[in-house]
Amino acid sequence: KAGVTQTPRYLIKTRGQQVTLSCSPISGHRSVSWYQQTPGQGLQFLFEYFSETQRNKGNFPGRFSGRQFSNSRSEMNVSTLELGDSALYLCASTGRGYSTDTQYFGPGTRLTVL
Amino acid sequence: AQSVTQPDIHITVSEGASLELRCNYSYGATPYLFWYVQSPGQGLQLLLKYFSGDTLVQGIKGFEAEFKRSQSSFNLRKPSVHWSDAAEYFCAVGDPLGGNQGGKLIFGQGTELSVKP
Repeated sequence: KAGVTQTPRYLIKTRGQQVTLSCSPISGHRSVSWYQQTPGQGLQFLFEYFSETQRNKGNFPGRFSGRQFSNSRSEMNVSTLELGDSALYLCASTGRGYSTDTQYFGPGTRLTVL
Repeated sequence: AQSVTQPDIHITVSEGASLELRCNYSYGATPYLFWYVQSPGQGLQLLLKYFSGDTLVQGIKGFEAEFKRSQSSFNLRKPSVHWSDAAEYFCAVGDPLGGNQGGKLIFGQGTELSVKP
């Protein structure tokens, strides 16, 4: 089975721009979670989607949004980029999105904001 | 609020030596506990997890972890470290009351492991 894939792997943007990141879960998985990883704040939960519905949300401003498609692929969008948004963005998928499920992580998208 | 503390930011051990990485959590009940490893340029890979039952949990790559309720700890151990174990290790908790909203994990700050030849 193919793992979780994320595209693109690297992105460079400037302040004020917006960006869209994509995540394709493992085949058959219906839950996708997004995390932001920075040296200062570590790994922080952004949001989780299941069957095209956002079920859980972390403590991030409204500039961070996401969606999930009927094939379970998910995108996250960051509008009006700030320097502090530079981070590794990881997505993870699970079959059902239950607390006991193992989350399988993709390699991440490295976003640099100049 | 739930939190996870990994007191050691960086640990260096010699190849062949034993390893223990510390993890303490703060939660009202026993959370679901996980250890993940992240190699440079890679995503996170699950090493092991604990939900209930036997407090000593075996994982992949020869790792084990012991849950100690009295100490709110879930320390990761390996009897003999290999050079390929050099990576960053993350302890995480999940909410057992999360039910079908289990997508949220709370991570510790991570411990970077270096292995001396």
